[in-house]
Amino acid sequence: EVQLVESGGGLVLPGGTLIVSCAASGFSFRSFWMHWVRQVPGKGLVWVSRINSDGSSTAYADSVKGRFTISRDNARNTVFLQMNSLRAEDTAVYYCARDPDSNGYSALNHWGQGTPVTVSS
Amino acid sequence: DIQMTQSPSSLSASVGDRVTITCRASQNIKRYLNWYQQKPGKAPRLLIYAPSSLESGVPSRFSGSGSGTDFTLTISSLQPEDSATYHCQQSHSTPYTFGQGTKLEIK
Repeated sequence: EVQLVESGGGLVLPGGTLIVSCAASGFSFRSFWMHWVRQVPGKGLVWVSRINSDGSSTAYADSVKGRFTISRDNARNTVFLQMNSLRAEDTAVYYCARDPDSNGYSALNHWGQGTPVTVSS
Repeated sequence: DIQMTQSPSSLSASVGDRVTITCRASQNIKRYLNWYQQKPGKAPRLLIYAPSSLESGVPSRFSGSGSGTDFTLTISSLQPEDSATYHCQQSHSTPYTFGQGTKLEIK
């Protein structure tokens, strides 16, 4: 069974740092691109970042560029999102999702259940 | 960045109705368009990609069409379990932006 399990969310002060993780199982993790998407409860989905299968290529939303870093450890089947200089507007549920990048086409075909991040003093 | 606009933002329909949701891109995204379904408190689920290919396990009453800037998601015969929010997403170029979502309620 394909599983993506996020962890590491919580309450952090403005300007602080948090690292969220996503542990994958049930599929060949090293063959998939991985994404982070966030959502404020009751609002729409916002794409945050993605990393290719071997970690050599990354991309970010403008709103997080320079503050967030995506990385992966294929030996541990885990993808990470390090979030620095956090702001109140980063408060959201953070989902990881896998992307087969089949023939160069991106679609998020399995999602974790999300981990909530709250930035507040 | 490519902007994605969905319409309507919400709609209410009866079981058995044919329902159409549209998604418009601010520039030509060819066929790089995906649709997701999200139920309250749950993670999104991929329904359709590329933009007319049905994801495995998705009922055949769901279909997608379009290319360029205009796309549609159609539910041919609405079922009670289709009550959810539907999101489009472009995967033509990063950032892979989403539409604002369409909340579908059953009358």
